[in-house]
Amino acid sequence: ILNVEQSPQSLHVQEGDSTNFTCSFPSSNFYALHWYRWETAKSPEALFVMTLNGDEKKKGRISATLNTKEGYSYLYIKGSQPEDSATYLCASSSSNSGYALNFGKGTSLLVTP
Amino acid sequence: EAQVTQNPRYLITVTGKKLTVTCSQNMNHEYMSWYRQDPGLGLRQIYYSMNVEVTDKGDVPEGYKVSRKEKRNFPLILESPSPNQTSLYFCASSFIYDAGYGYTFGSGTRLTVV
Repeated sequence: ILNVEQSPQSLHVQEGDSTNFTCSFPSSNFYALHWYRWETAKSPEALFVMTLNGDEKKKGRISATLNTKEGYSYLYIKGSQPEDSATYLCASSSSNSGYALNFGKGTSLLVTP
Repeated sequence: EAQVTQNPRYLITVTGKKLTVTCSQNMNHEYMSWYRQDPGLGLRQIYYSMNVEVTDKGDVPEGYKVSRKEKRNFPLILESPSPNQTSLYFCASSFIYDAGYGYTFGSGTRLTVV
């Protein structure tokens, strides 16, 4: 079983603050790294999929980076808004595990006005 | 609309009564998977399928069965449900080897076994 670790487990910030989360994953046989946003009572939605070392992706105020050699990814949110409140899931896949995604436990973000 | 459809959304059943949770996708995805979500444990994979008639165990397959007779459907079968299978279940699909789009998740099935 591949272990994907996310930190912090939860985070509470004020509207307008910028924040970031960490995801660490096994770097051997790495294939892809996914970030998902999961709002309460909904299903997870894909934010980013990254495969190459040094990849950086951006969607609006949210961006992510990838370091496959050391096995970590960062998710950044610039100027947090209350609607950013959600659980952010990280997942990685490897070429020697059927390309199945293994998920971390997530970082729960609460943004208050 | 591209989507993964799971049914039912909510289900309460009794121990030992066989049940099936259906999952269907309309995106021609090769890869389909079932996950369960339990408090403090994150999403754990039950079974996955890389194409028709190809299925494989995930991390927590005990007590579950699946089948992939058609590309669009991937039902999850609990032959004899037990209370420890009370959980939130998600079906997900994607193109094989991902192609950079990520998984599309169904809306979830909350199962309670009493």
